[in-house]
Amino acid sequence: AQTVTQSQPEMSVQEAETVTLSCTYDTSESDYYLFWYKQPPSRQMILVIRQEAYKQQNATENRFSVNFQKAAKSFSLKISDSQLGDAAMYFCASSNYGGATNKLIFGTGTLLAVQP
Amino acid sequence: EPEVTQTPSHQVTQMGQEVILRCVPISNHLYFYWYRQILGQKVEFLVSFYNNEISEKSEIFDDQFSVERPDGSNFTLKIRSTKLEDSAMYFCASTGRFNQPQHFGDGTRLSIL
Repeated sequence: AQTVTQSQPEMSVQEAETVTLSCTYDTSESDYYLFWYKQPPSRQMILVIRQEAYKQQNATENRFSVNFQKAAKSFSLKISDSQLGDAAMYFCASSNYGGATNKLIFGTGTLLAVQP
Repeated sequence: EPEVTQTPSHQVTQMGQEVILRCVPISNHLYFYWYRQILGQKVEFLVSFYNNEISEKSEIFDDQFSVERPDGSNFTLKIRSTKLEDSAMYFCASTGRFNQPQHFGDGTRLSIL
């Protein structure tokens, strides 16, 4: 079974600084996807970034980048130049490639506070 | 940008009553999902739906739960006889192609009294 673990319940960062959120996962599949979703107080889950496991290159989306370590089953999110609007709950998630369904398995989340 | 919409935003129901949560997925999407998030806990998969049938369901999705796509736009989750432990935020999601990122709605907060 797939599992996703986020060991940091809360993190804090100063505006304009960089913060890294940790995530580890476990899966027996060889092909899978990894995601970071953001859930601001408005509740909607918003996709931040996606990584295909077969790609060695780390995904980037503007100020957001990941450090994907496949052998270590680690998938951390780096937020550069943090902004007040980045304050939210961040969920790491995984899904299998090619299964009956691409259901998402979520971690417990990291609540990020951004200090002005 | 197209969005997944969910109604109502908050539903309060007496224990034992039936409740229907509604979702309108993005119009050209084909794969539909329900997830739930009990307060303070992680988001959990409930069920996936494709081609008018359930493609996968979790252990949580027991006989009290059902899903339906009654027309070309709505996707509903019904809980037949609600329990206190059904109190949670319920999220609907959809995607247009398999293995593409899922788009989530704002969620329905279900409170069982």
